[in-house]
Amino acid sequence: QVQLQESGPGLVKPSQTLSLTCTVSGGSITTGRYYWNWIRQPAGRGLEWIGRIYISAETNYNPSLKSRVTISLDTSKNQFSLNLTSVTAADTAVYYCARGGYNSAWHDVGFDYWGQGNLVTVSS
Amino acid sequence: SYVLTQPPSVSVAPGKTATIPCGGNNIGSKSVRWYQQKPGQAPVLVIYYDTDRPSGIPERFSGSNSANTATLTISRVEAGDEADYYCQVWDTDSDHFVFGGGTKLTVL
Repeated sequence: QVQLQESGPGLVKPSQTLSLTCTVSGGSITTGRYYWNWIRQPAGRGLEWIGRIYISAETNYNPSLKSRVTISLDTSKNQFSLNLTSVTAADTAVYYCARGGYNSAWHDVGFDYWGQGNLVTVSS
Repeated sequence: SYVLTQPPSVSVAPGKTATIPCGGNNIGSKSVRWYQQKPGQAPVLVIYYDTDRPSGIPERFSGSNSANTATLTISRVEAGDEADYYCQVWDTDSDHFVFGGGTKLTVL
């Protein structure tokens, strides 16, 4: 059974960098059919996709966050990470990591496994 | 940027059928996913590729997609279906995923 677990500080000061790591267990992050996502959700609001990374290290980012976001892989630890720079109170949210993938016909099958979420508060 | 529009809320009596629409410009040409999110929990994928259900999702959940509206249908609604539901597509113009604003399903 694949499991994802976010880790990182729960409090970040304004203007600093938010850094989170997602550890994947029960499966290899290097499997070619998958890609690895970050999604966030402010309290009481909807889901916002932040970005994704493939094992090839190819990335896609939400245009609204692209200038501040970097997603990277650490295959030796079966982890992927999120860095979000110059944070403000508007970045306060629960941050989720999730696995996306393709079936044998290369149809995208959605985000089938999610972490439990990591609440990050931006405050001085 | 591509916009997905969902009604904020839908109410349905137990045992009845709930329909949750997701509007978008020519959304019928895109592949739609639906997620269920209960309070304090991570979202769960209930429909992908417009109509397909992941293993473990009851047959009561079904999806359709045509023209400018995709629809999640939940038959024989149960109290446990009460949750927020989000649609999602890939925006090919700007290469990123987009979520709808979410619909809160209330079981009366």
